[in-house]
Amino acid sequence: DGGITQSPKYLFRKEGQNVTLSCEQNLNHDAMYWYRQDPGQGLRLIYYSQIVNDFQKGDIAEGYSVSREKKESFPLTVTSAQKNPTAFYLCASSTIPTSNQPQHFGDGTRLSIL
Amino acid sequence: AQKVTQAQTEISVVEKEDVTLDCVYETRDTTYYLFWYKQPPSGELVFLIRRNSFDEQNEISGRYSWNFQKSTSSFNFTITASQVVDSAVYFCALSARNSGNTPLVFGKGTRLSVIA
Repeated sequence: DGGITQSPKYLFRKEGQNVTLSCEQNLNHDAMYWYRQDPGQGLRLIYYSQIVNDFQKGDIAEGYSVSREKKESFPLTVTSAQKNPTAFYLCASSTIPTSNQPQHFGDGTRLSIL
Repeated sequence: AQKVTQAQTEISVVEKEDVTLDCVYETRDTTYYLFWYKQPPSGELVFLIRRNSFDEQNEISGRYSWNFQKSTSSFNFTITASQVVDSAVYFCALSARNSGNTPLVFGKGTRLSVIA
């Protein structure tokens, strides 16, 4: 079945450590997105990519980095510069990077600090 | 700037009651799209509906219906005869041509609890 796969489902980070969240899609979508969800805050955009080897910062990009070397993959690295990384992270994709297409979401990764 | 407001943080209803989730949006664009998503306890967001700014016709899909009113900048979602499986967090979202860095702007969500 086509869809978006995020791994791992749960992730723990030690202080000062970088961690990478995986997002893979087999929907042949051009655009991919990373969101952060905190309780009562809704979803906030971290980064998005409209095409391979290109990506743009969202509203809360500080402390995060991404790469888009392949169309189907958009990994997110939470760096040690992100001082409050505990959150639920959602990856999404859409057919074209314009405003009218719905985004399809993965199951999310819950990141916690040890 | 684009903004979506979901004033209801949490709603509890008894099974079989009707419930309406409110969504008010702000945008200066004349072309925009509105969305509703459902987030069940498992965590993924499930797309429910998309509406463009030129189509104010209300839509019904089974027990779900949506009321889009440009005059009040609202896009409300009604569940008729609610069921326990409707328990989830529901997000309203807005996408406009001039959204800047944020292609899709989400409201903060409304948590719906349907009690048997």
